[in-house]
Amino acid sequence: GQNIDQPTEMTATEGAIVQINCTYQTSGFNGLFWYQQHAGEAPTFLSYNVLDGLEEKGRFSSFLSRSKGYSYLLLKELQMKDSASYLCAVQDSNYQLIWGAGTKLIIKP
Amino acid sequence: TAGITQAPTSQILAAGRSMTLRCTQDMRHNAMYWYRQDLGLGLRLIHYSNTAGTTGKGEVPDGYSVSRANTDDFPLTLASAVPSQTSVYFCASSEAAARSEQFFGPGTRLTVL
Repeated sequence: GQNIDQPTEMTATEGAIVQINCTYQTSGFNGLFWYQQHAGEAPTFLSYNVLDGLEEKGRFSSFLSRSKGYSYLLLKELQMKDSASYLCAVQDSNYQLIWGAGTKLIIKP
Repeated sequence: TAGITQAPTSQILAAGRSMTLRCTQDMRHNAMYWYRQDLGLGLRLIHYSNTAGTTGKGEVPDGYSVSRANTDDFPLTLASAVPSQTSVYFCASSEAAARSEQFFGPGTRLTVL
């Protein structure tokens, strides 16, 4: 079966760095997406990785290792507004997104 | 630019009744999707449409139907609602089916009693 695993909840301090991991097992691979979802709102796109390596976008970076079925989202210089759920999703061989349950990130002052 | 709109924002529905959730996008995206999101679970795909005039079943299609008569609209119909269909429903669209980010509507919170 297809499976996406990510931690349920993480806590970090304002100004610090946090890494959110995602491991996956899917039927085929056409890229991995990270989305941010604030409570009561819709998911919004953060990053897309299809090749191995690190993609940097401002305070956010995303890493992919296809051979290990592994990705992480790195958030630097954490701000209170980064408190949200972070969703990992893999596009399978049918181009459908398989979603993890999300990691709730709590930022403390 | 409106992006994607959904209606209604929320609804309480009696079991056995039918309902259509509306979704409209103004980005001229080819692909559209319906997901449900339940606490503790990832988003689950109900139905999708890669282009106007075509639709496909996702992971959890039972009890739901869709149509895609034109590029902009993708309504989701519950023919006879059951309590297990209580959920938050998100409509999304992408420029293409493959390797494109999906843009989400604000969601419809549906409660079936």
